[in-house]
Amino acid sequence: GEDVEQSLFLSVREGDSSVINCTYTDSSSTYLYWYKQEPGAGLQLLTYIFSNMDMKQDQRLTVLLNKKDKHLSLRIADTQTGDSAIYFCAESSFGDKLIFGTGTRLQVFP
Amino acid sequence: DAMVIQNPRYQVTQFGKPVTLSCSQTLNHNVMYWYQQKSSQAPKLLFHYYDKDFNNEADTPDNFQSRRPNTSFCFLDIRSPGLGDAAMYLCATSRDQGTVDTQYFGPGTRLTVL
Repeated sequence: GEDVEQSLFLSVREGDSSVINCTYTDSSSTYLYWYKQEPGAGLQLLTYIFSNMDMKQDQRLTVLLNKKDKHLSLRIADTQTGDSAIYFCAESSFGDKLIFGTGTRLQVFP
Repeated sequence: DAMVIQNPRYQVTQFGKPVTLSCSQTLNHNVMYWYQQKSSQAPKLLFHYYDKDFNNEADTPDNFQSRRPNTSFCFLDIRSPGLGDAAMYLCATSRDQGTVDTQYFGPGTRLTVL
């Protein structure tokens, strides 16, 4: 079945860039998403990318997709303490149900 | 603002006592989803409604049921909660399915089972 994996933790200094990585197994994935979850809250959609793209930039966020290696990354430039949260990668095939990764907890320290 | 609303935000119930969680949306979306998220885990889809059509995931226990009386509201019923059902329950909506439409999540209801 489909599987999405992420590293569990990432710690960065305020002002540095953060890179959160994700790998997936479903070769028919058509959409890949990044969601942010703050403590005790629901999931907030940050950005998504179609599988026929290899990069998408949205302000401080850059998504890179290597479809050959089934690797997705989210780069946050100038990371702030407000970026501390859990980041979930998710994939879907033709807009079908979302398959989430295990989440990466990002901690930003001063 | 258009949004997905979940009530209550925190729910405490006793072992075996039925509980209902509520979700409403002002987005007029066709699809509504219920996810279960246990501590430090990824959200897991329980079921979804496409309009009035109910779609259950194969591994969702029979203890979990859902109702969608109209476009705006969807309920999650847990008939006999066990300790293992303590989790955050997330409701989400999307305009359609089988397309690029993204899912919009509510803030979640944290369920505690005593």
